[in-house]
Amino acid sequence: SQTIHQWPATLVQPVGSPLSLECTVEGTSNPNLYWYRQAAGRGLQLLFYSVGIGQISSEVPQNLSASRPQDRQFILSSKKLLLSDSGFYLCAWSSGLGATQFFGPGTRLTVL
Amino acid sequence: GENVEQHPSTLSVQEGDSAVIKCTYSDSASNYFPWYKQELGKGPQLIIDIRSNVGEKKDQRIAVTLNKTAKHFSLHITETQPEDSAVYFCADLNTGNQFYFGTGTSLTVIP
Repeated sequence: SQTIHQWPATLVQPVGSPLSLECTVEGTSNPNLYWYRQAAGRGLQLLFYSVGIGQISSEVPQNLSASRPQDRQFILSSKKLLLSDSGFYLCAWSSGLGATQFFGPGTRLTVL
Repeated sequence: GENVEQHPSTLSVQEGDSAVIKCTYSDSASNYFPWYKQELGKGPQLIIDIRSNVGEKKDQRIAVTLNKTAKHFSLHITETQPEDSAVYFCADLNTGNQFYFGTGTSLTVIP
């Protein structure tokens, strides 16, 4: 069966510091991968999605970037964190565009 | 763009009662509607879904109904239990193969 992992589970970072969140998927090949941000008490905001290695689509302009160095690895990065980057970051995968998305356990990021 | 509205934002029910959460969508060509349950500090988990060629789907105490004419779909939980307490999200898949999520309903089941 397929599983999705996110690392780390929680992170506290100072403003201006860099960020790297990792997402890996097991048990499937060529997945579509997604990064979402969930602010406290709000819904899911799609940040990036990827249909293959090196292919990244950005949904909203922001301080973050994404990369997909391997088929089942998706990384969310920032060179300099802002206070507004705090939130719960979710990675998801699907077998294709329009297919059901399955979410990882999330990373709680607090920027101080 | 597509718009998905979810109501209510919070819902409290007594254990054993039913809970209903409703979502409306704007894209008449949307054809897939999943529901997710998110427990505190965890990622959303798919609990049930429905496609546009079906009007209702049940899985034990959970059911989803779809009214394509009115462009709304609802989650029904019967015989609620304390472990049903969570945030529930609806979503729809529009013609651009993009998912749009509702803003969530925080359900509390009171023992």
